[in-house]
Amino acid sequence: QQQVKQSPQSLIVQKGGISIINCAYENTAFDYFPWYQQFPGKGPALLIAIRPDVSEKKEGRFTISFNKSAKQFSLHIMDSQPGDSATYFCAASGVDGGSQGNLIFGKGTKLSVKP
Amino acid sequence: DSGVTQTPKHLITATGQRVTLRCSPRSGDLSVYWYQQSLDQGLQFLIQYYNGEERAKGNILERFSAQQFPDLHSELNLSSLELGDSALYFCASSAQGLTYNEQFFGPGTRLTVL
Repeated sequence: QQQVKQSPQSLIVQKGGISIINCAYENTAFDYFPWYQQFPGKGPALLIAIRPDVSEKKEGRFTISFNKSAKQFSLHIMDSQPGDSATYFCAASGVDGGSQGNLIFGKGTKLSVKP
Repeated sequence: DSGVTQTPKHLITATGQRVTLRCSPRSGDLSVYWYQQSLDQGLQFLIQYYNGEERAKGNILERFSAQQFPDLHSELNLSSLELGDSALYFCASSAQGLTYNEQFFGPGTRLTVL
């Protein structure tokens, strides 16, 4: 119940295309869903986050879509650029339900954007 | 630069040894988290401290321990090291340790156990 399943493991997109990464969770007590971006040799950095009271959140080229009934959320990167090439992690947390507010991460998606 | 510092950057040691990883949180942040990142397990939460007190434990082995000092820096102690402990260890900090607080990650310590 604590798992967050992320797909795909890797993704290759042409410059200007849309990158889509999906995550699914089981624990209905999760109520905070951030996405982190990690470049090689660096720590993860928060990209965008959503709470389940909204179905979509957009920040620049990055959008989170959230489907509470399906227990799924996804990251869309519009107009993907070579500089977006990184590993992306979805995560979930909730005060109740065992995670005690701490982040449960998906396994990550390695995105490569080809010029 | 997240403002979280970790030392050392790299650590190479032998099985059975003990090492200490150090983390300084961002100025003003009271909460420190430790994570382990490996290829097979991904990013796993180990332990959280808030203002010197242990707040939550994740998948932390009994051979591992941590503490947060009065100046808010934290140390992660790994003992009786095994080959499988080779991984990246990240420290993160947040303002209050609440669920919705953004966690700022340090650059990590790469531990290699030979």
